[in-house]
Amino acid sequence: DAGVIQSPRHEVTEMGQEVTLRCKPISGHDYLFWYRQTMMRGLELLIYFNNNVPIDDSGMPEDRFSAKMPNASFSTLKIQPSEPRDSAVYFCASSLTWAGRNQPQHFGDGTRLSIL
Amino acid sequence: AQSVTQLDSHVSVSEGTPVLLRCNYSSSYSPSLFWYVQHPNKGLQLLLKYTSAATLVKGINGFEAEFKKSETSFHLTKPSAHMSDAAEYFCVKGSSNTGKLIFGQGTTLQVKP
Repeated sequence: DAGVIQSPRHEVTEMGQEVTLRCKPISGHDYLFWYRQTMMRGLELLIYFNNNVPIDDSGMPEDRFSAKMPNASFSTLKIQPSEPRDSAVYFCASSLTWAGRNQPQHFGDGTRLSIL
Repeated sequence: AQSVTQLDSHVSVSEGTPVLLRCNYSSSYSPSLFWYVQHPNKGLQLLLKYTSAATLVKGINGFEAEFKKSETSFHLTKPSAHMSDAAEYFCVKGSSNTGKLIFGQGTTLQVKP
């Protein structure tokens, strides 16, 4: 079975540009999560969706960040305008149901974002 | 607040020797617990999960974890380390009332030849 698919794997762009990260969750999974990982702060949950509806976006750092899930098989995380401090690895994960019911999250390989 | 504590930020072992990575969690009636591994430039891969069916949980690549409710611990072990085990390991707890995961700080496992 295909796992969580993220694209692009690497993105290098200049400050001020718009960045769009993409994620295809595992088919049939009801939950989708976006994380950011940096050396300084470790793994941070940015936002998560249940059945395509955003449930908790309290981790989104500021209004420059937005996420959408137009259907069950696709989600985007957008940064506009991008800043050097946004440089990080961004992970998407999906799960069948919530983690409190012993259901693990399955992670993609991430997008390594560098803002110059 | 729910929390997970990994007691060692860095563990170094020699190849062929046992591995012990320690994890304590905040108490829950029936916790959802996981261990994930992250190799360089990769996403997190599930090693094993606690399902309450057994206190000793077997995972992939020879790893095991033992759930001890009285000690609120979920330590990860492997009898014999392999060079390919060198990675970052995360002990993770599923939140009992949201869809979120609660991550430990991570333990870097170094395996020396």
